[in-house]
Amino acid sequence: GESVGLHLPTLSVQEGDNSIINCAYSNSASDYFIWYKQESGKGPQFIIDIRSNMDKRQGQRVTVLLNKTVKHLSLQIAATQPGDSAVYFCAENIWGNKLVFGAGTILRVKS
Amino acid sequence: DTEVTQTPKHLVMGMTNKKSLKCEQHMGHRAMYWYKQKAKKPPELMFVYSYEKLSINESVPSRFSPECPNSSLLNLHLHALQPEDSALYLCASSQDGGLGYGEQFFGPGTRLTVL
Repeated sequence: GESVGLHLPTLSVQEGDNSIINCAYSNSASDYFIWYKQESGKGPQFIIDIRSNMDKRQGQRVTVLLNKTVKHLSLQIAATQPGDSAVYFCAENIWGNKLVFGAGTILRVKS
Repeated sequence: DTEVTQTPKHLVMGMTNKKSLKCEQHMGHRAMYWYKQKAKKPPELMFVYSYEKLSINESVPSRFSPECPNSSLLNLHLHALQPEDSALYLCASSQDGGLGYGEQFFGPGTRLTVL
């Protein structure tokens, strides 16, 4: 599969700890945001989304926070597990169906 | 059936070859997408089809030619590619055909190598 390396920011956490992955988006007019997880050799997998009329949304073990004032998005993962190890991308819907992905963050979970 | 399938998984082609990538979904989604992903980079949008019509072309070179034969199928025809076109090509689909809300479901991708 595809390897990820030093060019992406990396977050290393201990199994069982909480993880916070941050993302800055570019377009103040963007009104819909998604977090994706991509494991090696696979396509991106949807985690959670949020619309711009909300500032927080919770899923199972994940929470997304949106701060429109500073154009910042974060993904919180509770009780991080080894299976959470992957590259995480935030994406913003610029207009219509046009989704623009952020650079990505590698999450490494240490057992 | 809640998946997007792509064939082939791997493709090696010369610069003078013509080949096609195929994508299929049976979720009744009205929008389908092609993305290109280079190693250690995020996916980059290439084309969007909405209700079987091309709605977005992100200034992609003409050596890439998309085709949407019906609402379930999406092809990407490749001709006279360059080595720098080597990448993972991802197909995605979404239920919403126009507003952009809603999850995009991604296939596993085709790993393309141009020699």
